[in-house]
Amino acid sequence: DGGITQSPKYLFRKEGQNVTLSCEQNLNHDAMYWYRQDPGQGLRLIYYSQIVNDFQKGDIAEGYSVSREKKESFPLTVTSAQKNPTAFYLCASQQTSGSFVPFFGPGTRLTVL
Amino acid sequence: GIQVEQSPPDLILQEGANSTLRCNFSDSVNNLQWFHQNPWGQLINLFYIPSGTKQNGRLSATTVATERYSLLYISSSQTTDSGVYFCAVGTLRRANSKLTFGKGITLSVRP
Repeated sequence: DGGITQSPKYLFRKEGQNVTLSCEQNLNHDAMYWYRQDPGQGLRLIYYSQIVNDFQKGDIAEGYSVSREKKESFPLTVTSAQKNPTAFYLCASQQTSGSFVPFFGPGTRLTVL
Repeated sequence: GIQVEQSPPDLILQEGANSTLRCNFSDSVNNLQWFHQNPWGQLINLFYIPSGTKQNGRLSATTVATERYSLLYISSSQTTDSGVYFCAVGTLRRANSKLTFGKGITLSVRP
């Protein structure tokens, strides 16, 4: 089955700790995205990558870092510099030609205590 | 950046009722999509509709690009239609194809 997975579904961390969220896709998509969703808010773009070994900041990149060493994987690290990290994080992947429809993973709900 | 406004913010329907959800955007776009987020957080694309009208079962969407708005119609609503509906817009470029999302419309369909 082709799809996009995120793990874990729920994550709890103490304040001041870095945490890495996993995102893997086997759809052979070139582009991958990380979004943050807060209650009652839309999705806000954190980082995106159009190709392996290249990525760009989105609208709210401060306090986050990413890597794109493989086409299938786009992990997001929430660092201790992120002032309010508790949120729902969504990963998406998309073709860069032909179809412009992103496929979303199931999300990771991060709670910082 | 592009501003996206969705209305109404919340909507409560009785099962079987029809509804219209609106999305206004502030600039020219050539990428407009509607998504549904279920109560467990999963987002699914409903329509890619930068202009014109499309229908898929009980759902249809219309975008009037020159007037910068899009409408999503839900007919004969069912409880499974509950969730949050997002409009997202962008401009397609070879370098990137970012989407800007509205805040969403929370729909509750009561049996």
